[in-house]
Amino acid sequence: EAQVTQNPRYLITVTGKKLTVTCSQNMNHEYMSWYRQDPGLGLRQIYYSMNVEVTDKGDVPEGYKVSRKEKRNFPLILESPSPNQTSLYFCASSPLAAYEQYFGPGTRLTVT
Amino acid sequence: SQQGEEDPQALSIQEGENATMNCSYKTSINNLQWYRQNSGRGLVHLILIRSNEREKHSGRLRVTLDTSKKSSSLLITASRAADTASYFCATASYFQGAQKLVFGQGTRLTINP
Repeated sequence: EAQVTQNPRYLITVTGKKLTVTCSQNMNHEYMSWYRQDPGLGLRQIYYSMNVEVTDKGDVPEGYKVSRKEKRNFPLILESPSPNQTSLYFCASSPLAAYEQYFGPGTRLTVT
Repeated sequence: SQQGEEDPQALSIQEGENATMNCSYKTSINNLQWYRQNSGRGLVHLILIRSNEREKHSGRLRVTLDTSKKSSSLLITASRAADTASYFCATASYFQGAQKLVFGQGTRLTINP
């Protein structure tokens, strides 16, 4: 089944404790991206990747890191999480940036 | 930077009625896409309309695009309780030499039985 998976689905952590949210797709897509969704603000892009070893900042990259060592995986790293990073996070993949996006189920992160 | 803006922000109708949501944007686009999101879940792609198309249908969905007015509408006919969800438009355009997809803030649709 074609899908995008994210782990964990729910995470509660404390300020400053490094964490990684994994994202994996099995559709051989070139393009992957991370979004955060906050009430009243819609979806905002954090980082995206056009291909392996090619990543770039989205609209709200501060406090986040990503890597794309393999085509299927695109982890999101929070080196020192802060409460303002409490949000619902989505990973998405697509053959190209302008094509239909396939979204993961989301990761709800709470930073206390 | 936000591109698409949906209107209304929330819409509540009776089952069986038609629901219309609108999306306006500011710059030239390559295509415009509509997505549905059930509460707290991942977005699901509904339909893509290219900049040279004016109307597109998929089942009970009808999407129109007016590039002169920089606007699009999504019509859901004969609504069902299962259509209750948030609907987002997303515009694909070139930005600083790269393709970019930008989502609006969404319309919350409630279908009352």
